[in-house]
Amino acid sequence: GAGVSQSPSNKVTEKGKDVELRCDPISGHTALYWYRQRLGQGLEFLIYFQGNSAPDKSGLPSDRFSAERTGESVSTLTIQRTQQEDSAVYLCASSFGQGQEKLFFGSGTQLSVL
Amino acid sequence: AQSVTQPDIHITVSEGASLELRCNYSYGATPYLFWYVQSPGQGLQLLLKYFSGDTLVQGIKGFEAEFKRSQSSFNLRKPSVHWSDAAEYFCAVGEEGGFKTIFGAGTRLFVKA
Repeated sequence: GAGVSQSPSNKVTEKGKDVELRCDPISGHTALYWYRQRLGQGLEFLIYFQGNSAPDKSGLPSDRFSAERTGESVSTLTIQRTQQEDSAVYLCASSFGQGQEKLFFGSGTQLSVL
Repeated sequence: AQSVTQPDIHITVSEGASLELRCNYSYGATPYLFWYVQSPGQGLQLLLKYFSGDTLVQGIKGFEAEFKRSQSSFNLRKPSVHWSDAAEYFCAVGEEGGFKTIFGAGTRLFVKA
């Protein structure tokens, strides 16, 4: 597609349920990033993929969070046993993966945990 | 570790007035510096970036930023603000040869008529 696509755009779930967030990067982009943006705060780095390898998972807040990527395509971020503090906008970005360069962001998934 | 500080949570300026948004970073080597804008209902968009060379960087929408190593700053400026500039602005720093980009907490810009 023309840009980074994220789905769903909004997700409301009950505490304790699992959720899966999807990101379709721009075709040809080898690097893919997940960030979390809590209300009124900056972007918190979660994880980075180069191809389907994740060299840095240090930003994942807990073992309830996991992510995977199929080749240089779709990525899914899974949150198990959701907690209210997981409520945030989850942003995905992609780039050509040649070092520090422009990130192309999706519109995000607004996750609300009740 | 890298860090980015945006001292102003929000700023209000009159349409047509000049604008300066502050950004200070912490990084041991030469940083890669970015400014992104997040408009209501839209994704983040890159305004400009600094990697090396001329310390005054021109970006889109009439924005510019100046890298000052002695002050560890990368402030964003615009000579005349338009109502459509109302948005949230994020300063970010990346490491040379690395991949992680660290973002500041953001500054929300309000523009009054």
